[in-house]
Amino acid sequence: GAVVSQHPSWVICKSGTSVKIECRSLDFQATTMFWYRQFPKQSLMLMATSNEGSKATYEQGVEKDKFLINHASLTLSTLTVTSAHPEDSSFYICSAPALGGEAFFGQGTRLTVV
Amino acid sequence: GQQLNQSPQSMFIQEGEDVSMNCTSSSIFNTWLWYKQDPGEGPVLLIALYKAGELTSNGRLTAQFGITRKDSFLNISASIPSDVGIYFCAGQRTSYDKVIFGPGTSLSVIP
Repeated sequence: GAVVSQHPSWVICKSGTSVKIECRSLDFQATTMFWYRQFPKQSLMLMATSNEGSKATYEQGVEKDKFLINHASLTLSTLTVTSAHPEDSSFYICSAPALGGEAFFGQGTRLTVV
Repeated sequence: GQQLNQSPQSMFIQEGEDVSMNCTSSSIFNTWLWYKQDPGEGPVLLIALYKAGELTSNGRLTAQFGITRKDSFLNISASIPSDVGIYFCAGQRTSYDKVIFGPGTSLSVIP
C-alpha cells in the first residue's frame, strides 16, 4: 500500500513552547492530507483538513491559531502545536488519500508536554 | 454529525476461534474501511469496500459493505495471537474525503 511517514515519532516539550510535526507521502502526491488526534483508549478524531496551496479547514472546536497547518508541497504537510500545554499531550496522526481514495496513515507522533 | 457505532466494544477469544464485529452508521457512506491499530502505531488499512453489497477478503479477513450503505461487518477466521489489537471501522462519504472513525473493538486472543 501507499506509504505515509510522520516525524518525529515522539516528542517531549516544555509548556509554552511550540512543536512541529511533519507528514510526508513517500510514493504518491497528495493535494489533501488530514490531521487526527487520539487520546488514550479513544478513537481517532479529525482535527483539520490540510489543502495544498490553500488554507486548512478546521473541525468545529479546534483552534486554528493553536494548531497551525501548512501544506507547502504535494508531499508534505506540517502541524505546529503553538504554546503547547499539558492538555495538548496526545497522539497525533496524519493521513493522505492514495490512488483509490482510501486513506493511509502515518505511524503517529506521541506528544508529551511537561 | 455523522456517527459510527461499533460492536462489540471488546472481545476475549481463544486462539483458533472465529471473530465477528460490526459497525453501523446514522448516515450513508459510499466507502467503508476497516483498520487495525497496534499500541503506539498509526492505523493500518485492512480492507476497503466501495460498493453496497460488496464482500471482500484479505487472507483470513472478510468484510462486507451493507446494502443500506449504513453498516459493515468484519470477520476474522482462525484467530492467532498477532490478531490482538484495536479494530476500527471507518467511513468516507466520497473517495479522497475525510475518514470518520468508529469507537473501535478491542480484540484479545488467548493462546
